[in-house]
Amino acid sequence: AAGVIQSPRHLIKEKRETATLKCYPIPRHDTVYWYQQGPGQDPQFLISFYEKMQSDKGSIPDRFSAQQFSDYHSELNMSSLELGDSALYFCASSLARGGEKLFFGSGTQLSVL
Amino acid sequence: AQTVTQSQPEMSVQEAETVTLSCTYDTSESDYYLFWYKQPPSRQMILVIRQEAYKQQNATENRFSVNFQKAAKSFSLKISDSQLGDAAMYFCAYRSIYAETGANNLFFGTGTRLTVIP
Repeated sequence: AAGVIQSPRHLIKEKRETATLKCYPIPRHDTVYWYQQGPGQDPQFLISFYEKMQSDKGSIPDRFSAQQFSDYHSELNMSSLELGDSALYFCASSLARGGEKLFFGSGTQLSVL
Repeated sequence: AQTVTQSQPEMSVQEAETVTLSCTYDTSESDYYLFWYKQPPSRQMILVIRQEAYKQQNATENRFSVNFQKAAKSFSLKISDSQLGDAAMYFCAYRSIYAETGANNLFFGTGTRLTVIP
């Protein structure tokens, strides 16, 4: 069965650079979530989209932005990268806003040097 | 706000034995979902088991079962016949069913690292 696809798997950037992470949800899933997991930490919710509209916002820095496109894939744009942005970024998708399991992608490991 | 607490940072179990991981949560809601996710060294986040709060029957998935105590706000995970492949970080997570309180995301506990001893 198709799963949540994230690209790239690994990304190395330098401070103050920009990064774009992509997420392709499971087919027919209409909700996408972004999470950030620092080393040795639990995942922290960043932002989510339902039917291409932002539905919830968590601890996402102002330097980050995201959107969901007409084909339901989502992109997380990160600017003015800082060393503390180094983390594993997960995307998850679900079929509906509530009451459904979240399925996670394999994550994008971002390293900021 | 919902909080999820995992009081055991690390646990170990002998292969083929049974281990129970603890999780408590705090909420004022009556209906919600609880999950256990497994994160092996590959760091893939894998759903292990799911429980709806309105269901009294404890969820079971093969060797994995939960002990859901709604009044005590407790949601423990029991792994029977532990296997080497069960070694991972286990996260307990809470999800509201109400959009107004953030139904769109999971609240995670801090995790329990499980070691399986051969």
